[in-house]
Amino acid sequence: EAQVTQNPRYLITVTGKKLTVTCSQNMNHEYMSWYRQDPGLGLRQIYYSMNVEVTDKGDVPEGYKVSRKEKRNFPLILESPSPNQTSLYFCASSSVFTTTNEKLFFGSGTQLSVL
Amino acid sequence: SQQGEEDPQALSIQEGENATMNCSYKTSINNLQWYRQNSGRGLVHLILIRSNEREKHSGRLRVTLDTSKKSSSLLITASRAADTASYFCATARKGGSEKLVFGKGTKLTVNP
Repeated sequence: EAQVTQNPRYLITVTGKKLTVTCSQNMNHEYMSWYRQDPGLGLRQIYYSMNVEVTDKGDVPEGYKVSRKEKRNFPLILESPSPNQTSLYFCASSSVFTTTNEKLFFGSGTQLSVL
Repeated sequence: SQQGEEDPQALSIQEGENATMNCSYKTSINNLQWYRQNSGRGLVHLILIRSNEREKHSGRLRVTLDTSKKSSSLLITASRAADTASYFCATARKGGSEKLVFGKGTKLTVNP
């Protein structure tokens, strides 16, 4: 089944404790992206990747890191999480992102709480 | 930065009625897409309309695009309780960076 898999689904952590949210897609997609969703603010893009070893900042990249060493994986790293990073996170992918006709496939989300 | 803005923020209707949601955006676009999100879950793509298209249909969904007014509407006909969800428009900017920008969504409740 074609899908984007995020783990974990729920995560509670404390301020400053490094964490990684994993994202994997089995569709051989070139484009992957991370979003966070907050009440009243909608979805905001954190980072995106056009292909292996190619990443770029989205609208809210501060406090996050990503890497794209393999085509299928795009982990989101919080080196020193803070409470304002408490949010619902989504990973998404697309076959080739041309801005003309490609749709995004989303993972099920990771609800992160930073205490 | 937010590109699309949905209107209304929330909509409550009875089963069988039609639901109309609107999206306005600010800059020229390549395409506009609509997504659906069940509570707390991942977004699911519904329909994409290109900038040179005016109307598109998919089952009970009808999307229109007016590039002169920089607006789009999503119509769900003969709504069902299962249509209860949040609906987001997303725009791919023309000449901008390679990313899809989402609005804040319309929360639709369809009462049985």
